[in-house]
Amino acid sequence: DTAVSQTPKYLVTQMGNDKSIKCEQNLGHDTMYWYKQDSKKFLKIMFSYNNKELIINETVPNRFSPKSPDKAHLNLHINSLELGDSAVYFCASSHIPSGGASEQYFGPGTRLTVT
Amino acid sequence: SQQGEEDPQALSIQEGENATMNCSYKTSINNLQWYRQNSGRGLVHLILIRSNEREKHSGRLRVTLDTSKKSSSLLITASRAADTASYFCATDNAGTALIFGKGTTLSVSS
Repeated sequence: DTAVSQTPKYLVTQMGNDKSIKCEQNLGHDTMYWYKQDSKKFLKIMFSYNNKELIINETVPNRFSPKSPDKAHLNLHINSLELGDSAVYFCASSHIPSGGASEQYFGPGTRLTVT
Repeated sequence: SQQGEEDPQALSIQEGENATMNCSYKTSINNLQWYRQNSGRGLVHLILIRSNEREKHSGRLRVTLDTSKKSSSLLITASRAADTASYFCATDNAGTALIFGKGTTLSVSS
């Protein structure tokens, strides 16, 4: 069974379109994340949700809107796509113990290409 | 903001050799983690070392942490072709989100 799954794996779309990426985890974790990895492999946190509530919202354009319908799902909706949004987007999940971040489990990634 | 910086950016070795990667960070941490990313795949957690620990082992992996120098190293012993991947350090910046470095790309040739 896949622990953290994302769909779609590849997404090719034109500028100006709206698209969504879905993420599901079956690990029973209470916290989920979205990361963006650019062409130079730099990985940056975008959002973090704990028990369906937004706890981290880095400097991300408001065209990006995460939605967590329940603890096991965290979807990412992107409006008015731009060329610079082309990247690989990773979903991850973890528990939040006391004393800092715990290990995170990553999905396989969604490669978004905006033309 | 970026926290960790891995060094070297790229490393090429022969099978059986040891590979050492270094990571430096800027602010206080609760723990530091190392992840591996195979080409076209998601990240896989390798090891977590807490700020009050100095060394940790897991199989062929050895991680050290020097909080006074704000640095960590990952040693992979007796490397194999399957170890070819990018390796990232990540710190929690005293919070719950991870801040990743730019990664070291390791190539192990047979």
